[in-house]
Order: sequence, then C-alpha cells, then structure tokens
Amino acid sequence: GQQLNQSPQSMFIQEGEDVSMNCTSSSIFNTWLWYKQDPGEGPVLLIALYKAGELTSNGRLTAQFGITRKDSFLNISASIPSDVGIYFCAGPGTASKLTFGTGTRLQVTL
Amino acid sequence: GAVVSQHPSRVICKSGTSVKIECRSLDFQATTMFWYRQFPKKSLMLMATSNEGSKATYEQGVEKDKFLINHASLTLSTLTVTSAHPEDSSFYICSARGVAGVDTQYFGPGTRLTVL
Repeated sequence: GQQLNQSPQSMFIQEGEDVSMNCTSSSIFNTWLWYKQDPGEGPVLLIALYKAGELTSNGRLTAQFGITRKDSFLNISASIPSDVGIYFCAGPGTASKLTFGTGTRLQVTL
Repeated sequence: GAVVSQHPSRVICKSGTSVKIECRSLDFQATTMFWYRQFPKKSLMLMATSNEGSKATYEQGVEKDKFLINHASLTLSTLTVTSAHPEDSSFYICSARGVAGVDTQYFGPGTRLTVL
C-alpha cells in the first residue's frame, strides 16, 4: 500500500526558530494535506495543497506541493510554544480514504 | 470550522466487556465517517469507513465482528469494541466527511480506551 514517510521524526527547537519538515511518498498524490495533532486530541487541518508546485500559507505556516507529486514540505516560521505537537502529512487514496504519514513530533523550548 | 464530537473521551473497562464509542457531526451532515486507531507515538491507521444506511467497509486486517460499526443517521456513527481485551487499548479517532471533498474531513477529539 501507499506509504508516507516524514522527516525528521522529532525535533527540539528554541522559541523563535524556523522549522522545516517534509513528507515523501512511494506513489503520486494529487492532493496533500497537513494536519497538526495536539496531545490527546484529534488532528486539525492546517493546509491543503491541490496542485504540483503550489505554495500555500496559513499564518506562520507555509506548505509546498512537490513538483514530482511524491513529496511535500511544511515550514513554520518564528515558532512559539503552542506549535508543540505532532505534524502529519496525509494524502487521499481511493474512496476519499486518507493515508497519514509517520508524523513529526515538534517540541519547543523557551 | 465544522465540529465533530466523540463520546466518551475516556473509558476504562474490564476485559471481556463491550464498549461503545459515539461520533457525531454537530453542524453538518456526514454521509461518510471514518474510524481510526492510534497507538502511542504512532500515526493514525484507518480501521473502517462508515457509510450512512449501509454496511461499513473495513480495512484489511480489521475484524468486523470485533469492531462493530453502525451509521444510523447522517450525524451519528458508533463503534462498538466487542469482548475487549488489553490489546484493544488505544486511542480511537473518528472523522466525518462533508460533501465538498477530501479536505473537508473533520476529526473528532478522540476516545482513549483502556482495557484492564
């Protein structure tokens, strides 16, 4: 089946730093989604990407749909403590089913 | 954004008992709901797709007789874990899909199940 691998697996950064993470797939996706999951909560959609090469921002978050359609990137600028959580990429398969990536755990130190 | 609720948020039960988890879309109608399972520090794994008015479709390896799904209305799907065992302990998350497309899949807050 489809696999979405995220890198890095986890990261510790200082408040104010920029963050970059990526997601790679073994197959092509026509849509890329980025979610954030807070501890003990369900995922919340951050950004949706629909076109290869597309660059979309949501506040301090910017995501890009890779040209090959097999990868996507998420950047967070000027991180703050509430950015802590797990970030998942996801791609739709058949029947609108979502395949989630392995996740990137972000921890922010003051 | 749209709101999806789950009840209960936490449940502890004895081995061998059955547990029902409810998933409700509060301000939109959802013809399709999805049930996921998440182990600690792991990603979400799709268990089944719940379709209103028809049988759920289960992912490979998920026992349909173990995880009973009922989607009786456009705003409610239930997952019943039958004869629960400690290995069923997990975080169960539902999502509800609106009509506009895959990115309108809204997630509930999850249910933490602990089987003793």
